[in-house]
Amino acid sequence: DIQMTQSPSSLSASVGDRVTITCRASQGISNYLAWFQQKPGKAPKSLIYAASNLQNGVPSKFSGSGSGTEFTLTISNLQPEDFATYYCHQYIGYPATFGGGTKVEIK
Amino acid sequence: QVQLQESGRGLVKPSETLSLTCTVSGGSIYNNYWTWIRQPAGKGLEWIGRIISSGNSNSNPSLRSRVSMSVDTSNNQFSLKLSSVTAADTAVYYCARELYDTDYYLYIESWGQGTLVTVSS
Repeated sequence: DIQMTQSPSSLSASVGDRVTITCRASQGISNYLAWFQQKPGKAPKSLIYAASNLQNGVPSKFSGSGSGTEFTLTISNLQPEDFATYYCHQYIGYPATFGGGTKVEIK
Repeated sequence: QVQLQESGRGLVKPSETLSLTCTVSGGSIYNNYWTWIRQPAGKGLEWIGRIISSGNSNSNPSLRSRVSMSVDTSNNQFSLKLSSVTAADTAVYYCARELYDTDYYLYIESWGQGTLVTVSS
């Protein structure tokens, strides 16, 4: 299985900050990488696919980049509704696998 | 916007079979890929498997011997069965829809709200 490693596992930030989360794959996955946001007690929400394509309705404050084995999710102008756990997900390998998550907390 | 809703028994005894159904509304079950994902409490996400309306499916090798999936096109539903469950199968189970990206790889586009299944005697 392709292992997905996210860093950091948690971070504290203030409203208005810009944060970056990193996801590394144990082998090259081209750009077949998605990002999800999950709030406590809720289902994940799809944010990005193909490393950098925003899902319908996702604001442009979210951006993704990367290819191969290293990827980043950047959230600009952090707002209270953005505090959540973020997961990366590779969908080229079989089985598809997920990162362990990065919890973004309010400082 | 398609909506997905999981349903099924929330409590299953060890060694029995977990059964869940996902009802699709706001869209057709035809010509789409449907997937199951689970998340133990406080832990990460695990891909269980996917099925298309024709009935073709594949599943995570770690679970394959215990997983069965089916589609009911007349009711716009698809289902998951997981046999011989243990406490390790206790989790929130999500159904989701997958779409093709421009390179014809499947990515998760929308999620159901999830349903908690507890394995306990």
